[in-house]
Amino acid sequence: DGGITQSPKYLFRKEGQNVTLSCEQNLNHDAMYWYRQDPGQGLRLIYYSQIVNDFQKGDIAEGYSVSREKKESFPLTVTSAQKNPTAFYLCASSPLAKNIQYFGAGTRLSVL
Amino acid sequence: DAKTTQPNSMESNEEEPVHLPCNHSTISGTDYIHWYRQLPSQGPEYVIHGLTSNVNNRMASLAIAEDRKSSTLILHRATLRDAAVYYCILRTTIQGAQKLVFGQGTRLTINP
Repeated sequence: DGGITQSPKYLFRKEGQNVTLSCEQNLNHDAMYWYRQDPGQGLRLIYYSQIVNDFQKGDIAEGYSVSREKKESFPLTVTSAQKNPTAFYLCASSPLAKNIQYFGAGTRLSVL
Repeated sequence: DAKTTQPNSMESNEEEPVHLPCNHSTISGTDYIHWYRQLPSQGPEYVIHGLTSNVNNRMASLAIAEDRKSSTLILHRATLRDAAVYYCILRTTIQGAQKLVFGQGTRLTINP
């Protein structure tokens, strides 16, 4: 089935540790996005990418990094510089010609 | 970024219509109005979108005011599975990439 797969579903980070969240899509979509959601809040854009080897900062990029080496993959690294990483992280993709974003099931990150 | 205003919560009964309002007084001429919904611990799901004219699809209808400063999402016959947080979003395009700016949304409760 076509869709967006995020892994792991739950992730724990130790102090000073970098962690990487995976996002894979088999929808052949050009654009991919990472969002952060805090409890009771809407989503905020971290990074987005329209084509391979290119990505742009969103509204809250500090403390995060991404790569886009393949069209189907857009991993997000939460670095030790992100002092408050506990949140629900959502990945999305969309075809450039269509106005709809499709979301994965999310990764819930907590700090030990 | 263009903002939307929605009631924090609404309640309705099963099999009755539901009208979810949204104000977007700062909307620009090229902003699309999108609605997504999110079930607990899941990623958002696209519901419907429009620019100027009213829109219908299998999930819902979208009524857009003539001045485009407000819109209403209509669920014609609510079911228990429609209980979710509904987000009214203005979609802008920056350098060819879609940008969805999420607010806090409306938590819809459906009573059996």
